[in-house]
Amino acid sequence: GESVGLHLPTLSVQEGDNSIINCAYSNSASDYFIWYKQESGKGPQFIIDIRSNMDKRQGQRVTVLLNKTVKHLSLQIAATQPGDSAVYFCAENRASGGSYIPTFGRGTSLIVHP
Amino acid sequence: DARVTQTPRHKVTEMGQEVTMRCQPILGHNTVFWYRQTMMQGLELLAYFRNRAPLDDSGMPKDRFSAEMPDATLATLKIQPSEPRDSAVYFCASGERNTDTQYFGPGTRLTVL
Repeated sequence: GESVGLHLPTLSVQEGDNSIINCAYSNSASDYFIWYKQESGKGPQFIIDIRSNMDKRQGQRVTVLLNKTVKHLSLQIAATQPGDSAVYFCAENRASGGSYIPTFGRGTSLIVHP
Repeated sequence: DARVTQTPRHKVTEMGQEVTMRCQPILGHNTVFWYRQTMMQGLELLAYFRNRAPLDDSGMPKDRFSAEMPDATLATLKIQPSEPRDSAVYFCASGERNTDTQYFGPGTRLTVL
């Protein structure tokens, strides 16, 4: 069946380093992807999204790259800070009833060491 | 700062009891989603509403779960009877018109003994 998954369950980095979190998806029909950040005890928080007609999108300190050929998504965080420590989820979205319905990956835990 | 609110934040109950979780979406948002998060299954979509109408509840066990929106400011998720396997964190999210961004609440941590 179709699935969304993450390559690395845990990523440890030093403060100031750049972080890269990867995600594989298998539904070639997916055309909208979102990265979420979830801090302990909180709900997921939208970080950045990208549509399939793009291969790169940049935000503040974050960049999402989409490679449709190999069905791969990545989130790059520049100059990682302790406040970036959280679980990061990618979600592929399917259109339904006028809304996009996400299917979440399992998550990658990012640990930033001071 | 508009936020999705959920009550209760924590609930401990015994197997067989009814559980009701409530969500107040952000004012003006027209879509509401219910999710369940466990270590084993991750985040799963249970149901979602658009303009208070249920559009998809295929992810929800029909025999014991029910989701409703009595009005635009309240969404409820009920489990009756509850079972230990229902223990999880339940999230509500709301979305604004014409965008695909969902805003999540803080969740209700449910423990069924």
